[in-house]
Amino acid sequence: DAMVIQNPRYQVTQFGKPVTLSCSQTLNHNVMYWYQQKSSQAPKLLFHYYDKDFNNEADTPDNFQSRRPNTSFCFLDIRSPGLGDAAMYLCATSRDRGVFDEKLFFGSGTQLSVL
Amino acid sequence: SQQGEEDPQALSIQEGENATMNCSYKTSINNLQWYRQNSGRGLVHLILIRSNEREKHSGRLRVTLDTSKKSSSLLITASRAADTASYFCATDDSGYSTLTFGKGTMLLVSP
Repeated sequence: DAMVIQNPRYQVTQFGKPVTLSCSQTLNHNVMYWYQQKSSQAPKLLFHYYDKDFNNEADTPDNFQSRRPNTSFCFLDIRSPGLGDAAMYLCATSRDRGVFDEKLFFGSGTQLSVL
Repeated sequence: SQQGEEDPQALSIQEGENATMNCSYKTSINNLQWYRQNSGRGLVHLILIRSNEREKHSGRLRVTLDTSKKSSSLLITASRAADTASYFCATDDSGYSTLTFGKGTMLLVSP
């Protein structure tokens, strides 16, 4: 089945140790998003790629970066994780952007713990 | 960008009862969407309503939109224990091209 896959499901890292989360999709969608969701809070958009065009949210810390080497894959890099970066990281895709009927398809998320 | 605000934050009901959740937002929108999230999982799209629509149905779901009040409601009829989840509204602001999510309503349906 076409889907959005996130690996790993759970990730534990140490304070300050770089970590990479991965996302892949078989939907052939143009747009890929990374959301951060802390406990009992709204998912917060960090950035998104429209094809190869990278779009960073204004309040996304510099500590967070992303790569999209091809249509199918997108990575979230956290250069120096702090305790406040512990959260669920959600990858999502949409066929297009800025079109009235676009909906998001989410992966199952990666729960990041920082020790 | 704006953020929708869901109300109530938490809702506890018995199986068979109806559950109503509300969402308010601040600026003009192209559409409003509702998503469901089971504990520790990703979000799943439920229903989308355009700004020129007032009501939409999908199975046991009924969504209304009042753009004059900048609010929407999600009604789940004849709820089941499997409906236990968090429900989020998300708005596609007319001036932006991405979705912004509200804080969600946590629904607990007891058998």
